Amino acid sequence: AQRVTQPEKLLSVFKGAPVELKCNYSYSGSPELFWYVQYSRQRLQLLLRHISRESIKGFTADLNKGETSFHLKKPFAQEEDSAMYYCAHAGGDSGGSNYKLTFGKGTLLTVNP
Amino acid sequence: GAGVSQTPSNKVTEKGKYVELRCDPISGHTALYWYRQSLGQGPEFLIYFQGTGAADDSGLPNDRFFAVRPEGSVSTLKIQRTERGDSAVYLCASSLLRLAGDNEQFFGPGTRLTVL
Repeated sequence: AQRVTQPEKLLSVFKGAPVELKCNYSYSGSPELFWYVQYSRQRLQLLLRHISRESIKGFTADLNKGETSFHLKKPFAQEEDSAMYYCAHAGGDSGGSNYKLTFGKGTLLTVNP
Repeated sequence: GAGVSQTPSNKVTEKGKYVELRCDPISGHTALYWYRQSLGQGPEFLIYFQGTGAADDSGLPNDRFFAVRPEGSVSTLKIQRTERGDSAVYLCASSLLRLAGDNEQFFGPGTRLTVL
């Protein structure tokens, strides 16, 4: 079965420091990967998706098929980045069902002043 | 416009009781999803509707769980004979089912279910 692994449950950095949230996936086909974010007392929302190759709120994520990773990075963290971040993969084991999201367990990022 | 809404926001029930959780998707979204999020975990897929029909219910844990979407809009997740292990946040999401990889799912605020 496909899996999304976020090895860090908690990550704490200081404001202005670089941040990297790790995500690894297990899927043999062409993955469709996303990062979702949940700010305190807000609903889960899409941050970015690998297919669009965009930078949102200064965050970027590069798909590395060789390492099966999709790490989320930001060069200078801000206090407002403090949130829960989930990596997710869309698709079933057979390569179809690209509607079905499989989430990692999430990483709680805290950016200290 | 309004986002996905879910009612109730909190539900406390006793073991063995029946509960219904409601989801109102974004108007015009044909796809609707239910996920369950247990403490310390990411959301886990339960069921997906395309229009009125359940296109994939492979994530429903057992036959105590059932969901309907009779008119292709509002959906209800029904849980019979609730157990303490059913306690979780139940999330609903909706989307316009477009090209592969462009399937942004918009999530509701969730219903926190507590089974005593």
